[in-house]
Amino acid sequence: DGGITQSPKYLFRKEGQNVTLSCEQNLNHDAMYWYRQDPGQGLRLIYYSQIVNDFQKGDIAEGYSVSREKKESFPLTVTSAQKNPTAFYLCASTKDPGSYEQYFGPGTRLTVT
Amino acid sequence: AQSVTQPDIHITVSEGASLELRCNYSYGATPYLFWYVQSPGQGLQLLLKYFSGDTLVQGIKGFEAEFKRSQSSFNLRKPSVHWSDAAEYFCAVSYNNNDMRFGAGTRLTVKP
Repeated sequence: DGGITQSPKYLFRKEGQNVTLSCEQNLNHDAMYWYRQDPGQGLRLIYYSQIVNDFQKGDIAEGYSVSREKKESFPLTVTSAQKNPTAFYLCASTKDPGSYEQYFGPGTRLTVT
Repeated sequence: AQSVTQPDIHITVSEGASLELRCNYSYGATPYLFWYVQSPGQGLQLLLKYFSGDTLVQGIKGFEAEFKRSQSSFNLRKPSVHWSDAAEYFCAVSYNNNDMRFGAGTRLTVKP
């Protein structure tokens, strides 16, 4: 079955450590996205990538970094510069940059203490 | 500023009762409109979308939504709610797929 995989589902880190969240898709989609979800705030866009080796900042990119070396993969690194990293992180993809329908992964809950 | 408003943070309905979840948007022109559902600790699933044409759109799981341009609204409805519909519902709007804006969500509780 095609879909988006995010691992792990739960992640715990100490403050000051960088952590990388995985997002893999086998839908052959061109565009991929990372969102952050906090209670009562909906989803906010962190980064997006329309093609391999290219990505753009979203609304809340500070303290995060991404790479897009393969079409299937779009990992997100939460750096120690992110002031409040504890959140639920969602990865999504669309078939191509002209598509509007986003498909979402199951999410990773990151807790930093 | 562009925004999406879901006025109801939490709604409780009895099983079998009808449901309407409200969504209003503030944009310069008609965007593309979406409703997503999220079960606890899970990703978002698309319920339905409106791009153009008939302003009443049908989605999965028996949901429908009506676009009203004059009210800048895209309310989600279901005639008879099932206990399995308990979840969080998000309205989203987009002019391009790199700028999808989500409402804050409405949490639906279903009473037996």
